[in-house]
Amino acid sequence: SQQGEEDPQALSIQEGENATMNCSYKTSINNLQWYRQNSGRGLVHLILIRSNEREKHSGRLRVTLDTSKKSSSLLITASRAADTASYFCATDDRGSTLGRLYFGRGTQLTVWP
Amino acid sequence: EPEVTQTPSHQVTQMGQEVILRCVPISNHLYFYWYRQILGQKVEFLVSFYNNEISEKSEIFDDQFSVERPDGSNFTLKIRSTKLEDSAMYFCASSGDGEKLFFGSGTQLSVL
Repeated sequence: SQQGEEDPQALSIQEGENATMNCSYKTSINNLQWYRQNSGRGLVHLILIRSNEREKHSGRLRVTLDTSKKSSSLLITASRAADTASYFCATDDRGSTLGRLYFGRGTQLTVWP
Repeated sequence: EPEVTQTPSHQVTQMGQEVILRCVPISNHLYFYWYRQILGQKVEFLVSFYNNEISEKSEIFDDQFSVERPDGSNFTLKIRSTKLEDSAMYFCASSGDGEKLFFGSGTQLSVL
């Protein structure tokens, strides 16, 4: 299946440090997205990177995409306690309908003040 | 900021009962979705809805499931005869472009 897989499963850092999460997937994609989920809440879209892009920035977020390795990374710089959440990568599939996303299990990020 | 709203936030039901989960998508969005997340597992796609019809459904979305957009603002998921394994957090999502999805906070369904 297309589902992404994030690693690590859990990441614990101090405020001010950078957090890097990785995602791998299996088949061809049009785009890859990262979402954030606070405990008990819905998923919030963070950033979308298209298959013809290699890097994208949004505020303190930097996403890279390597389609040859079928992998992506999400970097959060200068982390804050409020960044504590689960982070999911989600891929589409070129054969599927718009908006059918395949999620990984997520990385649980804990940022200590 | 516009948001997707879901009701109820929690629903407890007996096995075999029908449940309807309700969602109000963002008003100018055209694409609507239901996803679910069983505790400890991945978020899974159930169904997508566009132009008043189902675009795609997963293997999970069997004959016990149905979706409806009855009045141009609400989007509902009905489970006709709930099973224990239907217990999960159900998320509604909408999108204006079919790529970036906006999710609601979910309905936690517990089937006893």
